[in-house]
Amino acid sequence: AQKITQTQPGMFVQEKEAVTLDCTYDTSDPSYGLFWYKQPSSGEMIFLIYQGSYDQQNATEGRYSLNFQKARKSANLVISASQLGDSAMYFCAMREGRSGYSTLTFGKGTMLLVSP
Amino acid sequence: GAVVSQHPSWVICKSGTSVKIECRSLDFQATTMFWYRQFPKQSLMLMATSNEGSKATYEQGVEKDKFLINHASLTLSTLTVTSAHPEDSSFYICSAIKNMGRQETQYFGPGTRLLVL
Repeated sequence: AQKITQTQPGMFVQEKEAVTLDCTYDTSDPSYGLFWYKQPSSGEMIFLIYQGSYDQQNATEGRYSLNFQKARKSANLVISASQLGDSAMYFCAMREGRSGYSTLTFGKGTMLLVSP
Repeated sequence: GAVVSQHPSWVICKSGTSVKIECRSLDFQATTMFWYRQFPKQSLMLMATSNEGSKATYEQGVEKDKFLINHASLTLSTLTVTSAHPEDSSFYICSAIKNMGRQETQYFGPGTRLLVL
């Protein structure tokens, strides 16, 4: 079974609108971390946001927020007020275990296109 | 600003040559770095974990004699693709873990595009 599932290969959104990118995960470890990264056409991976399995509140970083629903094992990324520069590939990733040095497992990604 | 650098950003080489890619953590020490490979329109696949002062840990299916990793200092890891062939053409990305207080976060380098002719 896939550990990280991103069911949306592509998403379209108009500028200034909000968009939600889906991510579900599968783990039996009670301690884990969830990450979202952005990869523009240049290729670099840009860290956006982190959610720990024990965090009580949903993580937020500027226009990015993570809708963490632990019982459903979902960690959707919400981008508010989309900008043209948000057009990129978005990857959800998970790190299992307590160690911060564990490896990341990535989903297949969602391509987001923001139109004027 | 960038916290992890990679050099070179792109390289074109002839089949049979070896290519070295450097990954540096810019303002922190990284005892652990990771090397990933990404084919077009696909996700990142972990190749190996690079540990300072010890041997790298390779993922299943990755040839350690083909992809040599040396983590010689706390800020530098190198990946050498030995006797490169066209099927080794890919986007190679390294990452290093930085402790951000609340959690350790992997920061990625800008990547190296390798084209083997």
